[in-house]
Amino acid sequence: AQKVTQAQTEISVVEKEDVTLDCVYETRDTTYYLFWYKQPPSGELVFLIRRNSFDEQNEISGRYSWNFQKSTSSFNFTITASQVVDSAVYFCALSEMASGTYKYIFGTGTRLKVLA
Amino acid sequence: DTGVSQDPRHKITKRGQNVTFRCDPISEHNRLYWYRQTLGQGPEFLTYFQNEAQLEKSRLLSDRFSAERPKGSFSTLEIQRTEQGDSAMYLCASSLDRDRAGANVLTFGAGSRLTVL
Repeated sequence: AQKVTQAQTEISVVEKEDVTLDCVYETRDTTYYLFWYKQPPSGELVFLIRRNSFDEQNEISGRYSWNFQKSTSSFNFTITASQVVDSAVYFCALSEMASGTYKYIFGTGTRLKVLA
Repeated sequence: DTGVSQDPRHKITKRGQNVTFRCDPISEHNRLYWYRQTLGQGPEFLTYFQNEAQLEKSRLLSDRFSAERPKGSFSTLEIQRTEQGDSAMYLCASSLDRDRAGANVLTFGAGSRLTVL
């Protein structure tokens, strides 16, 4: 069965610190997609990244980077030099191909607080 | 295009009343999804449309819930005889269908928050 675990409920950092948000997933499928979404206080989830199961290359986008490791079923997200505007709830999500379904399984989210 | 719009943003109702939420997706998106989010939880899948066809419904969607997408454009989610347990944020999302199944990037609306007293 699909499952996404975000063990960190809440993280607080001081501005300019680096922070890593953990995501561990479970799936029996060999083809799947992983996502990260950001939910700021306004409530609207914003897409950050999509990664398919065949692409284990790490990705960097500005201050954001993602580390995908199939061996540990993890898809961790690092923010470098955090800023107050990064304060939000971050969700990791999984979607499987084989099930033929279009639903996504979201983790419970990690609330990041960046203090000035 | 201004993204996915949801209305109303907030709804307070008494137990037993019916409520309806509306979602206007991005115009060129033919897939539309409804999710429910409770405090401290991630979004939970409720149902999905491709054009006007409702292709999948979660077991979370009891018979008091009904969703429609007439003409494949906007969608409505109606909850009949609301219960306090229905209090949640109801999120709508849309996507294109050009990606392979499961790969679609969802664009979410800001949600409709329901409070049942």
